[in-house]
Formats: sequence, C-alpha cells, structure tokens
Amino acid sequence: NAGVTQTPKFRILKIGQSMTLQCTQDMNHNYMYWYRQDPGMGLKLIYYSVGAGITDKGEVPNGYNVSRSTTEDFPLRLELAAPSQTSVYFCASSNYDRAHFGSGTRLTVV
Amino acid sequence: AQSVTQLDSHVSVSEGTPVLLRCNYSSSYSPSLFWYVQHPNKGLQLLLKYTSAATLVKGINGFEAEFKKSETSFHLTKPSAHMSDAAEYFCVVSLFSGGYNKLIFGAGTRLAVHP
Repeated sequence: NAGVTQTPKFRILKIGQSMTLQCTQDMNHNYMYWYRQDPGMGLKLIYYSVGAGITDKGEVPNGYNVSRSTTEDFPLRLELAAPSQTSVYFCASSNYDRAHFGSGTRLTVV
Repeated sequence: AQSVTQLDSHVSVSEGTPVLLRCNYSSSYSPSLFWYVQHPNKGLQLLLKYTSAATLVKGINGFEAEFKKSETSFHLTKPSAHMSDAAEYFCVVSLFSGGYNKLIFGAGTRLAVHP
C-alpha cells in the first residue's frame, strides 16, 4: 500500500511559469486535500474534494486550481507562479478516522 | 468557531527527561483530536487520535495524550525523551462541517532534544 504519493519532491519555478503538483492515493478515500505549509505556521487548506468531480475552495485558494476526475488523483495547478507561492505543499486523503499525508513538495518561486 | 492553539512554539528538553507539548482547542461540537509528527523534510505521521472513547490515548513511540473536556485541552506527553523525538508536532481538530471532514491545524511545536 503506497498511501498518498506526491510528485515532484522539489521544484524551482520562475515568476509567471505554471506547473502541476501531482497527488495520488490508493486507499479509495473520498476526501482529498491540498495544504500549504509556510515557515512557523500550521497547514493552511488550499482546496479540498469530497469525491470525484466535486471540489471546493479552502482558506487560501487564490492562485491555484484543482480537478478531481478520478477517486485516486487530485492534481494542484499553479497557473502564474508568484514568490508568495513559495512553500511546502502537502496532499492528504482521509476517511472519517484519520488523514494520510504525502511526503510534500517543496516549491520555490524566483 | 473552531480553533486549535498550541501554547509553545518551541520546547527544548534533555534526553531522558519528560516531554509536555500543550494543545487547547475550541469547538462547538465533540471533536476528534489528533497529534501528528513531522520530521525534517518528511510528511506528517499520525502519533495518536482521540475519538470519544477513552480520555487517555496511547500512541506510537511511547507518546500519550489526555483529553480533558473541562479544560478543552489535549496535551501530548512522553515520560522520557529520545533524540529521535526531535521534530515538529501538530495538534489537529477534525470535525465534519460543511459537507466534508475538516481538519484544523495548530501552528506546531518544534521539539528539540539535547544530549
């Protein structure tokens, strides 16, 4: 059981570039989430999904987009990268009992 | 409104001494409570969870936490710190709200363990 898999682990983007952070889970969880973690802060929710075809905004959605075409995959899209998006990004999936987290993507925008 | 407050941003202990990481929560409902640990450059790992069964919860690696409803607290303890316990610890409240399982994170406590 791989759990939650995120790719890439590290990425450096130039201002204005775009990229997609990939997230896949193999636990058949309906709920999936994207968080960002800034230094000294807890995790802030960007977007979440309660099932295939259903997504909604979290606390800090500006500058991001998501899609959920399958139960397994929940990619996060940055269209025009900005320095404020430099952060560590975590994908998670959950049932009612606990959340499982990926190992994170460290993104730097220069 | 639901919130989680971790009372210490940094805690420093000597190896072999007790660990106490403090967490207070605010919730209108009976929450589920979790502690997660994050080692450097790693993802988050579940330490333990409280889901309205026993108020004293035992987790992995010798950690435990006590749910005290009267104090709205869920402090994490360990009798004897090990060097490998050095990490960031997050207290998390989970509640079903707005149609999804909402996770509210504390700001984290960084635990340093000295020889």
